[in-house]
Amino acid sequence: LAKTTQPISMDSYEGQEVNITCSHNNIATNDYITWYQQFPSQGPRFIIQGYKTKVTNEVASLFIPADRKSSTLSLPRVSLSDTAVYYCLVGDGTSGTYKYIFGTGTRLKVLA
Amino acid sequence: ETGVTQTPRHLVMGMTNKKSLKCEQHLGHNAMYWYKQSAKKPLELMFVYNFKEQTENNSVPSRFSPECPNSSHLFLHLHTLQPEDSALYLCASSPQNPGGDYEQYFGPGTRLTVT
Repeated sequence: LAKTTQPISMDSYEGQEVNITCSHNNIATNDYITWYQQFPSQGPRFIIQGYKTKVTNEVASLFIPADRKSSTLSLPRVSLSDTAVYYCLVGDGTSGTYKYIFGTGTRLKVLA
Repeated sequence: ETGVTQTPRHLVMGMTNKKSLKCEQHLGHNAMYWYKQSAKKPLELMFVYNFKEQTENNSVPSRFSPECPNSSHLFLHLHTLQPEDSALYLCASSPQNPGGDYEQYFGPGTRLTVT
């Protein structure tokens, strides 16, 4: 099973750029890297997904180095509403069914 | 609104009760999932269905019984639960599984309390 390691918590101020790094040293060749956001008592919400290099969408960027052993989620100019738990996921497809393995995530707190 | 609905949103049940959780997705997806999220613990995958067939049972106790009558509906039947089963139960769907590049769409969850 691929495992991910990310900081337990981070604080930031409104308007700042936030970078959350995730380690996944045992990532398999066909694994994608996916990030989800979760607010209290809600289901996780997809943010971004990538395989290598850089991916950007309307809410975030994802940077993946060539060795793919880590990835960095970048949130530009965060606001108070970005306070949430962010999960870095690397799937496991060894059993034939692709499974996301959720870790404890990074609890981001955005301060005014 | 993710296109995945769950009912009820809150449920309190005694250990001898039988209840069911319902999930419905309006996204045309073919894979559906049940997850459990206990307080201060990561989400745990429970079951996976692909085209109505169960493809994953993550060593879940038999007091949890899933049912997938079609690709749009997923149920979780509960009986003789324990207090430690109190958690947020989340349903999700994706276009199909396997497929590692597919995002999963989660419902809002059912907050279950077992007394």
